[in-house]
Amino acid sequence: NAGVMQNPRHLVRRRGQEARLRCSPMKGHSHVYWYRQLPEEGLKFMVYLQKENIIDESGMPKERFSAEFPKEGPSILRIQQVVRGDSAAYFCASSPAPVVGAEFFGPGTRLTVL
Amino acid sequence: DAKTTQPPSMDCAEGRAANLPCNHSTISGNEYVYWYRQIHSQGPQYIIHGLKNNETNEMASLIITEDRKSSTLILPHATLRDTAVYYCIVRDPNFGNEKLTFGTGTRLTIIP
Repeated sequence: NAGVMQNPRHLVRRRGQEARLRCSPMKGHSHVYWYRQLPEEGLKFMVYLQKENIIDESGMPKERFSAEFPKEGPSILRIQQVVRGDSAAYFCASSPAPVVGAEFFGPGTRLTVL
Repeated sequence: DAKTTQPPSMDCAEGRAANLPCNHSTISGNEYVYWYRQIHSQGPQYIIHGLKNNETNEMASLIITEDRKSSTLILPHATLRDTAVYYCIVRDPNFGNEKLTFGTGTRLTIIP
């Protein structure tokens, strides 16, 4: 059973472009969480999704950011019109149920905005 | 989630026990203590959690004080691969809110 997969691992975008980050949860996991980690800081929760539903998006910036977890395929975190402040590591985690301690984190996508 | 306080960094000699403290003086009765670690350039990894009794698993031991205002994560025989940032988190698992709130953690360096 492969772990949580994220791609790309590294993404470079120029200001104003769009960034799409993908997360494939572990087999059998229907709960996905996205976190952002700025340099030298701890992870900050962004959004929690369960297949086709957004359960908690309290950590998502109000503009430019969106997330989805379709019935088929990976979860996508989309950032429109990126700015330098969006440069960070974005981690996805998945779990078979909404239980803290049951989630597995992916290796992250490091976004650099030039 | 209740706030936690951890030292920013610690060193430990390889083969010795690493004891990582965490203060959580405002913890409430339903909140558990969770520990995660993040090895450089990787995603966080769950280690252990507990409510009030001491806990042990294959990775570590968790000692929680009787008043539950602090706890210590113990890595009994630290190896170089244990070098990581360790996060102590308190939360109520029954709250219905599954998000984790990470602080800045303790950067543990294992010295050869």
